[in-house]
Amino acid sequence: TQLLEQSPQFLSIQEGENLTVYCNSSSVFSSLQWYRQEPGEGPVLLVTVVTGGEVKKLKRLTFQFGDARKDSSLHITAAQPGDTGLYLCAGAKGPGTASKLTFGTGTRLQVTL
Amino acid sequence: ETGVTQTPRHLVMGMTNKKSLKCEQHLGHNAMYWYKQSAKKPLELMFVYSLEERVENNSVPSRFSPECPNSSHLFLHLHTLQPEDSALYLCASSQDRGILADTQYFGPGTRLTVL
Repeated sequence: TQLLEQSPQFLSIQEGENLTVYCNSSSVFSSLQWYRQEPGEGPVLLVTVVTGGEVKKLKRLTFQFGDARKDSSLHITAAQPGDTGLYLCAGAKGPGTASKLTFGTGTRLQVTL
Repeated sequence: ETGVTQTPRHLVMGMTNKKSLKCEQHLGHNAMYWYKQSAKKPLELMFVYSLEERVENNSVPSRFSPECPNSSHLFLHLHTLQPEDSALYLCASSQDRGILADTQYFGPGTRLTVL
């Protein structure tokens, strides 16, 4: 069974602080995605990284794929209350008939004023 | 609004009931998925359909029975469930272009409680 462990599991911070969420596995993935899920909604894709060592920026969010394609991190600069939600990483082993993703254990982030 | 709708949003059922969850996607995608999200486990893939054919069945108990009558609709038929089946059931769809990690678009989920 492929496992994607995320840390921390829970994070409560104040507006303006920086944070990093980690996603680690012993398996190699051909690509990795990050999703955010808000209460009462399904996960929404934030980014896909496909190349080892790749760094992608989305406004205040910076995503990195590890060189060995086994791990990833999400860094948020100057967090805002709107960043509150459940962050999920998801790894794909490769193209197939349909994309079959293995999801991480999740990091629940709360940003307060 | 992601283009994927699920009904009902909430469902309470007894262990002897039979019910069905419905998912509809308005995105023209050709792959659809059922996931289970419970409090203490990662999001679990249950079933995958591509072009209306089931391509993945992740050892899901037979009390869960999927149906995909066409590429826009996906059902999950439930019968004789157990309390531990209480969870959020999420439907997703993707274009399935055969490339690395197509984007999956999720519905809002059905919150299921089994008494």
